[in-house]
Amino acid sequence: DIVMTQGALPNPVPSGQSASITCQSSKSLLHRNGKTYLNWYLQRPGQSPQFLIYWMSTRASGVSDRFSGSGSGTDFTLKISSVEAEDVGIYYCQQFLEYPLTFGSGTKLEIK
Amino acid sequence: EVQLVESGGGFVQPGSSLKVSCVASGFTFSSFVIHWFRQAPENGIEWLAYINTDSSSALYAETVKGRFTISRDNAKHTVDMQLSSLRSEDTAMYFCARETGGVGFAYWGQGTLVTVSS
Repeated sequence: DIVMTQGALPNPVPSGQSASITCQSSKSLLHRNGKTYLNWYLQRPGQSPQFLIYWMSTRASGVSDRFSGSGSGTDFTLKISSVEAEDVGIYYCQQFLEYPLTFGSGTKLEIK
Repeated sequence: EVQLVESGGGFVQPGSSLKVSCVASGFTFSSFVIHWFRQAPENGIEWLAYINTDSSSALYAETVKGRFTISRDNAKHTVDMQLSSLRSEDTAMYFCARETGGVGFAYWGQGTLVTVSS
């Protein structure tokens, strides 16, 4: 199974500052079609996950352009520019290259 | 509006069975692969299973293979998962989600809570 490892944030993050969340995969998520099958989700307290980013850097429909994804085949970053109160929650990376689908353990974002 | 609504959760004893259901609306149900996930209290998200559009293919996580069975009824817009031989470690919120073309999951239900305890 592909293991997804996420880094921690130096919480709380001051409102208006940027925050970067890291994720590593134990295997390259670069498919032979040239796409990297890495997704990001935000789970706000008491809610279901919200789809943020797919193919490592493509924003899902309706997602603010304050969210951006980048990376290589195994190392990924989700950047949130100018964090706001509504960004509070746990961020998960997830690989969709192969089954079983696997998630990182989550990175909590708190706002000051 | 796309909606997924889970039901069927509850409090059960170890070794027992339970069926959780997911009812979909707001989209052409028969055109989408549906997955089940779970999230234990204060834990991360675990993928459990998927079923393809015409029920010809299903896949399970090793942790539930042989104990859980996924099925769908395209006429009723439902995906069920039968949970058997339940263990305390199966205690979790169970979510269904609609797959977006082999890319990710843009739509999730609100979850149904399964608690396994004696």
